[in-house]
Amino acid sequence: GAGVSQSPRYKVTKRGQDVALRCDPISGHVSLYWYRQALGQGPEFLTYFNYEAQQDKSGLPNDRFSAERPEGSISTLTIQRTEQRDSAMYRCASSLDSYNSPLHFGNGTRLTVT
Amino acid sequence: SQKIEQNSEALNIQEGKTATLTCNYTNYSPAYLQWYRQDPGRGPVFLLLIRENEKEKRKERLKVTFDTTLKQSLFHITASQPADSATYLCALDPGTGTASKLTFGTGTRLQVTL
Repeated sequence: GAGVSQSPRYKVTKRGQDVALRCDPISGHVSLYWYRQALGQGPEFLTYFNYEAQQDKSGLPNDRFSAERPEGSISTLTIQRTEQRDSAMYRCASSLDSYNSPLHFGNGTRLTVT
Repeated sequence: SQKIEQNSEALNIQEGKTATLTCNYTNYSPAYLQWYRQDPGRGPVFLLLIRENEKEKRKERLKVTFDTTLKQSLFHITASQPADSATYLCALDPGTGTASKLTFGTGTRLQVTL
């Protein structure tokens, strides 16, 4: 594809429900990253993968958050038992590798927990 | 604690002038620094990368400097145009030379007027 694709674009869910956010990276990109961005702030690191291996998940806020990339391509960020404080823009990015390659970001999923 | 500081106030300049944006950091020893542009409702877009052993990097009307002694990077846009209006983010690697955990500043909004 031309760029990083994220779906859904918008997600409204009730508190306590589980949500799954999808990221389709640029074909051939080894590394995939999940960030969260609050309004007026820069992206905040959540987790990243090289191929299918999760290399660092130190940015995940708590154990309700998890991510997977089972075949080294598409990734899913899952939030269980959502809370209002989880409301944010969730952004996925991919890069050729995890060295000093630039990140290519998707347009994000806006999550609203009511 | 580690901190990246960008001027949170918007920078307003007249078309044709040079815009200079600042990124200061503390308690980091980055191997490189990246600059991104972000338009409203979109993901950040990579602009330039500068390594710790490089003092200056140029790309068309853009110039980035990196002073590891001052712990500062300056981002210049010469002959600015209204189309340059956007938020500009700096991002640092964690010092390992990998992009495993790029940390972003809060960004500075640039407004170029006619």
